[in-house]
Amino acid sequence: QKEVEQDPGPLSVPEGAIVSLNCTYSNSAFQYFMWYRQYSRKGPELLMYTYSSGNKEDGRFTAQVDKSSKYISLFIRDSQPSDSATYLCAPGGSNYKLTFGKGTLLTVNP
Amino acid sequence: GAVVSQHPSWVICKSGTSVKIECRSLDFQATTMFWYRQFPKQSLMLMATSNEGSKATYEQGVEKDKFLINHASLTLSTLTVTSAHPEDSSFYICSARGGPRSGANVLTFGAGSRLTVL
Repeated sequence: QKEVEQDPGPLSVPEGAIVSLNCTYSNSAFQYFMWYRQYSRKGPELLMYTYSSGNKEDGRFTAQVDKSSKYISLFIRDSQPSDSATYLCAPGGSNYKLTFGKGTLLTVNP
Repeated sequence: GAVVSQHPSWVICKSGTSVKIECRSLDFQATTMFWYRQFPKQSLMLMATSNEGSKATYEQGVEKDKFLINHASLTLSTLTVTSAHPEDSSFYICSARGGPRSGANVLTFGAGSRLTVL
């Protein structure tokens, strides 16, 4: 079993839709949970991060962590064409190393 | 915000030559930098952890003699791909720990360097 599993998609939604992106992980030592967005041929950029179970909201984005089931989610409200990118979940541990999911390719159609 | 600069962004080289990629933290000091490799439609795979003033720590399966890492200052780490071969063609991305956005757990990534070995 891979440490981080993420459905690669692709996921295609109409503009304004609510998008749900998910990952599962197996390593209970992970302490913090990052979401990165990566545009084609670019480096990842940090969207959100959280340390604990529960929800964290930042504008149109909500990160959700359930440590008991080892499940992490990212919700995007009112999705925009500019949100079209690959979204990577990346949990990490005390050594600051991140383990990346494969990424989900999202396309928001105008 | 925190900026990590990588250079070059794209390099093409002949098989057997060596290529150096630079990673700089522009507005903060980074005692630790990480080097990742990403093949098309694959995830980022950590290659090594670069610590200022000490030897890099390589992940299992990564050849330290092939991927030389030097972290000579608090703002610069370099990755040299020695005797490159076509299978080394990939997207190499560095990240630096720290920056003003949050605490030490946040990594800021460079834009990546695309290496093509002919």
